[in-house]
Amino acid sequence: AQKITQTQPGMFVQEKEAVTLDCTYDTSDQSYGLFWYKQPSSGEMIFLIYQGSYDEQNATEGRYSLNFQKARKSANLVISASQLGDSAMYFCAMRANAGGTSYGKLTFGQGTILTVHP
Amino acid sequence: KAGVTQTPRYLIKTRGQQVTLSCSPISGHRSVSWYQQTPGQGLQFLFEYFSETQRNKGNFPGRFSGRQFSNSRSEMNVSTLELGDSALYLCASSSTAGFPNTEAFFGQGTRLTVV
Repeated sequence: AQKITQTQPGMFVQEKEAVTLDCTYDTSDQSYGLFWYKQPSSGEMIFLIYQGSYDEQNATEGRYSLNFQKARKSANLVISASQLGDSAMYFCAMRANAGGTSYGKLTFGQGTILTVHP
Repeated sequence: KAGVTQTPRYLIKTRGQQVTLSCSPISGHRSVSWYQQTPGQGLQFLFEYFSETQRNKGNFPGRFSGRQFSNSRSEMNVSTLELGDSALYLCASSSTAGFPNTEAFFGQGTRLTVV
């Protein structure tokens, strides 16, 4: 079984500063993918960044980067130069093959509410 | 390229009724999965379809069902609605059968309220 843990229910950051949102995962699979999504109050789930378990380089997408530490089973999201529009709920998720039984299933953490102050 | 489209966006139903939600994936995507999001339980996996076949199912009662059509559009149905079914229902679209290294894109969700 796969499990995602996000230990920060809420985080606050000053505009233009960087912030790190924590995510640890648990799986026995060797092949898996890690995702981060942003969910504003409107409810839509916006894809931010993806990291594959065999990727040697940390993923980056604009202001988002994923600090992937495989041995520690952590996949923290770093947002640089925070903007007011970054205020939202952030979810870490994982998809693992689980011997071919999990297919498209994503397992989500409980989320972190990020508030950006002006 | 159009994104994932879910209809309707909002629904209000009465306890005991049934409801059908629709999801049109990104063109060319053949995998559609559904999730229920509630404040208490978070995001929970309902089921996943690929090429009209249900490949995986979450731990939900039989009142929750789904299907996928040949054009990859998917519907989910909830019969005999209960107050606890009030939630945001999200569908995700992926380009393959769910191998780990494929991105999943979500629709805007359908917010169901059962009264």
